[in-house]
Amino acid sequence: GAGVSQSPSNKVTEKGKDVELRCDPISGHTALYWYRQSLGQGLEFLIYFQGNSAPDKSGLPSDRFSAERTGGSVSTLTIQRTQQEDSAVYLCASSLPGGGGFNQPQHFGDGTRLSIL
Amino acid sequence: DAKTTQPNSMESNEEEPVHLPCNHSTISGTDYIHWYRQLPSQGPEYVIHGLTSNVNNRMASLAIAEDRKSSTLILHRATLRDAAVYYCILRDGSNYQLIWGAGTKLIIKP
Repeated sequence: GAGVSQSPSNKVTEKGKDVELRCDPISGHTALYWYRQSLGQGLEFLIYFQGNSAPDKSGLPSDRFSAERTGGSVSTLTIQRTQQEDSAVYLCASSLPGGGGFNQPQHFGDGTRLSIL
Repeated sequence: DAKTTQPNSMESNEEEPVHLPCNHSTISGTDYIHWYRQLPSQGPEYVIHGLTSNVNNRMASLAIAEDRKSSTLILHRATLRDAAVYYCILRDGSNYQLIWGAGTKLIIKP
């Protein structure tokens, strides 16, 4: 079956431009997560959606970062006025509803590699 | 958040078993132990998780110490495709986040 799909797979842009990253979760997965991974590092949590709501946005690094989810499905992560330190791989994951706790496996896309010149 | 400690890297021969250790001495009673792996240029992949009892699935086995302060991921017969970074993560059932460390880079020698 189809897994988590992210687009674009690579994005190169100039400092100061806005970028929009897209995530298509697995059908039926109500939970959706965004992470960021810098080169050679572990993943850094950004935001979590349950349905269209984001109970916790505290992982977003600054107010230049925002995310939304519509129809309980597709999510977009937007970075405004990009800076060089925003360069990283942005990963999206989805999972089934918690059901007894947040222990459902998270299924990841292959990420968007963002490079800010 | 409770933290985990893993070796930076390990080497193993192809077609031999691999035991990947993880220490989590501050684990709480409600923390589950999760393992994910990440192949080069790919997103992480779920491997296995458990609470107290040993767990087996088609990918691996998870052996959890009786005091739960350590665990071991066991790959029964490593192949070259198992070369990846393996992450051991503690997850409270009430916490949606996965807190990631640096993981163990597993190198498989032909």
